[in-house]
Amino acid sequence: SAVISQKPSRDICQRGTSLTIQCQVDSQVTMMFWYRQQPGQSLTLIATANQGSEATYESGFVIDKFPISRPNLTFSTLTVSNMSPEDSSIYLCSVTAGGFGDEQFFGPGTRLTVL
Amino acid sequence: SQQGEEDPQALSIQEGENATMNCSYKTSINNLQWYRQNSGRGLVHLILIRSNEREKHSGRLRVTLDTSKKSSSLLITASRAADTASYFCATDGSGGSNYKLTFGKGTLLTVNP
Repeated sequence: SAVISQKPSRDICQRGTSLTIQCQVDSQVTMMFWYRQQPGQSLTLIATANQGSEATYESGFVIDKFPISRPNLTFSTLTVSNMSPEDSSIYLCSVTAGGFGDEQFFGPGTRLTVL
Repeated sequence: SQQGEEDPQALSIQEGENATMNCSYKTSINNLQWYRQNSGRGLVHLILIRSNEREKHSGRLRVTLDTSKKSSSLLITASRAADTASYFCATDGSGGSNYKLTFGKGTLLTVNP
């Protein structure tokens, strides 16, 4: 399985500011994803981070709010822009090595609190 | 709409007992995966079962899949206090998206020592 790290592990931010979350994988992976888990809820996919091209966003998520970069096969960032208290969530990146039906592994998550 | 739905939403058992959690989904899938999450931390991958498999084992875990009923179950045998966590099922393949996972709401398992 892939070893995935995220930075920061947690943060408390002020309304209106932005936070960039980093996701680092110890090996090259084909697919990287970003998920959000709101308090007491399940996980919802935000977007697929595509290497060398724009991310693919799910319904309800837009690039202006959640810009994503993926400069190579081991690294991605998610920015939460112009934050409001409703953005308080755990943000998780996940990876799959590729191939049909591969297991998907998750990072430890970033717990974000917006005041 | 939510692809996976787990039941029960919460389960409390004594150490040594078995715990069974169920997951139902709505559309056809390629695979179903089970995860564990401790206290709002990252997800730990437990097991993946493919749509052409009916049962899979890993240590104290046993997963079944019934594609005709669109349901899966996770059995944890001889539970331990350390098994206390939330358990989620996740499906892929819905709508032709092979890798995007859709998660159920999760079952909160409490194992009392």
